[in-house]
Amino acid sequence: AQSVTQPDIHITVSEGASLELRCNYSYGATPYLFWYVQSPGQGLQLLLKYFSGDTLVQGIKGFEAEFKRSQSSFNLRKPSVHWSDAAEYFCAVGDSGYALNFGKGTSLLVTP
Amino acid sequence: EAGVAQSPRYKIIEKRQSVAFWCNPISGHATLYWYQQILGQGPKLLIQFQNNGVVDDSQLPKDRFSAERLKGVDSTLKIQPAKLEDSAVYLCASTNVSYEQYFGPGTRLTVT
Repeated sequence: AQSVTQPDIHITVSEGASLELRCNYSYGATPYLFWYVQSPGQGLQLLLKYFSGDTLVQGIKGFEAEFKRSQSSFNLRKPSVHWSDAAEYFCAVGDSGYALNFGKGTSLLVTP
Repeated sequence: EAGVAQSPRYKIIEKRQSVAFWCNPISGHATLYWYQQILGQGPKLLIQFQNNGVVDDSQLPKDRFSAERLKGVDSTLKIQPAKLEDSAVYLCASTNVSYEQYFGPGTRLTVT
């Protein structure tokens, strides 16, 4: 059965610092991988997705993620964090029926 | 383009009462999902519709939860009777046969 693990429950970074959120997946076939962001009281917004091809994918709001098959990872990165990036971030893997299996999320706090 | 609409946004009920949530997907989207997001966890798929047919309801607690999607457009999710552990945010998402799901703002349910 496929699963997603986000090892970090909370992460705190200073504004302007770089960010990396970790995501590990377990899936038998080629995975379809996603990162979503959820701000308080808001629905989920898609940041980026990986289906195939270039393993470094660019998303919205300056985010990028790198797919590493050998490590079963799909980590999210941003070179310089803004205070508005404070939110909950979810990694997800898509199954054959297009439904998504989500990790438990990482809560990002940005300090001045 | 209008997004996924959900109502109500908030609901407080007592245990053993019933409650219903409504979702209007993006126009033309054939696939509709209901997810349950318990505090501190990622969304969990409850049910997936393709047009007005059920694709996957394996994680829907059918003794108390029911869902329908009449005419392949709007959908309602009902809980009867509610339990304390049903307190969660209920998210509706839609897509047009792809992995790019669009989420509504959710309905926050509190069962007391």
